[in-house]
Formats: sequence, C-alpha cells, structure tokens
Amino acid sequence: EIVLTQSPGTLSLSPGERATLSCRASQSVSSSYLAWYQQQPGQAPRLLIYGASSRATGIPDRFSGSGSGTDFTLTISRLEPEDFAVYYCQQYGSSPMYTFGQGTKLEIK
Amino acid sequence: EVQLVQSGPEVKKPGESLKISCKDSGYSFTNYWIGWVRQMPGKGLEWMGIIYRGDSTTRYSPSFQGQVTISVDKSISTAYLQWSSLKASDTAMYYCARLASHTFDSWGQGTLVTVSS
Repeated sequence: EIVLTQSPGTLSLSPGERATLSCRASQSVSSSYLAWYQQQPGQAPRLLIYGASSRATGIPDRFSGSGSGTDFTLTISRLEPEDFAVYYCQQYGSSPMYTFGQGTKLEIK
Repeated sequence: EVQLVQSGPEVKKPGESLKISCKDSGYSFTNYWIGWVRQMPGKGLEWMGIIYRGDSTTRYSPSFQGQVTISVDKSISTAYLQWSSLKASDTAMYYCARLASHTFDSWGQGTLVTVSS
C-alpha cells in the first residue's frame, strides 16, 4: 500500500507570499497519476493539478505542480485570499487503487 | 459542463439501511467511472470505491469492501452508495466524483450522513 505523507500539516503565510506544499510517497508513484486538490471550508474538493504538473481547467497559473518518483510539490507563487484552504495530494496505484494524503491546511498568518 | 448532483442530507439510526445517489449530466454517462469518497468530521479524504457506468464493474477499497455497495442505474444517469446496516462511525460527508485518467476531475456537492440513536 502506498502512503502519501503531506507536509507541513499547517502552513501559516500572508497574502502575496509564496507557498510550497510537499507530498511524499512511501513508494514510487507514476507522475501521470499524481493529483492535487483544494478544499475550501464547507465545500467539495476541487481538482487543481493532474499528472503532477498539469493545471486543471480554469486553475490560475499561480498554481504549479512538480516532482517525480516519491517527492511531489505544489507551489502557489503569490497567495491570494481565496487560496487559504486545505490541500490534498492523491495517487493512483496498486491496492488500494487510490489514496489521498492527510492534507495540508494553508492558513492566514 | 460536467455536473454531479447528490441527494440531500440524511439522519438515520444505527442498524438502518440507506442509499444515497449521485446524478450526472453534461457528458456521456456511460464512458466514465464514478468514485465515492468519504470525509469524516474534521478529517481527510478516503477513497471508498469506483464503478464503471458502462457495465457496472466495481472496485472497492479494502477498507470499505463488504461495508458498502456501489451501484448504477444507466437509464437515469445515477450512481448509488448504500449501506445495509449503518453504524455511528458511518457519520460523514460522502462525495461522488467523476474519474478521468485516474483523477477525480468533477465532484458532487456532498451528502451528509448522520447516524445517531
């Protein structure tokens, strides 16, 4: 079973700053199958990044994804007020087929 | 535009059965897999299982195998998640989501299930 560990658990930053969120896998993950989601309070998750680095439709270019193997990163270049939320990484692999990281909460400092 | 609309909140007692739904529109219903994801109060996302609408093939997470049943009714473009005997620990928000290239690219609004005596 592949376990995804996200760090930090909570990230406190100010609007305009750069955010770097990490997702580490216990085994190598195909870059094609690593995604990132954003979840605002009281809302459903929203796909941000798929294939480790491709932005989903309508996602601003301040969001970018990178990484390969076991280490993946979501970067938000300049934080906007609406970016403060919880972020999850997700992978597809062997049983269980789909796993999510435990999430990183991005909060306003 | 892809749209997944889930059924409304439910309040049930332990031991009761429940079936919640996820209706989609805006794309070819039969050509995609639909997944279900659980989010317990204050917790993260857990994948439960997926179903292929074309032939109702299902895949379950080992954590949920035997605990829930996922089904689909192609005639009304609706997927279902059901329990035969609810437990208090089933209290959670449940999301359906469309699966495309192993990514959940469109999500329903969620169905809150509360199980309490």
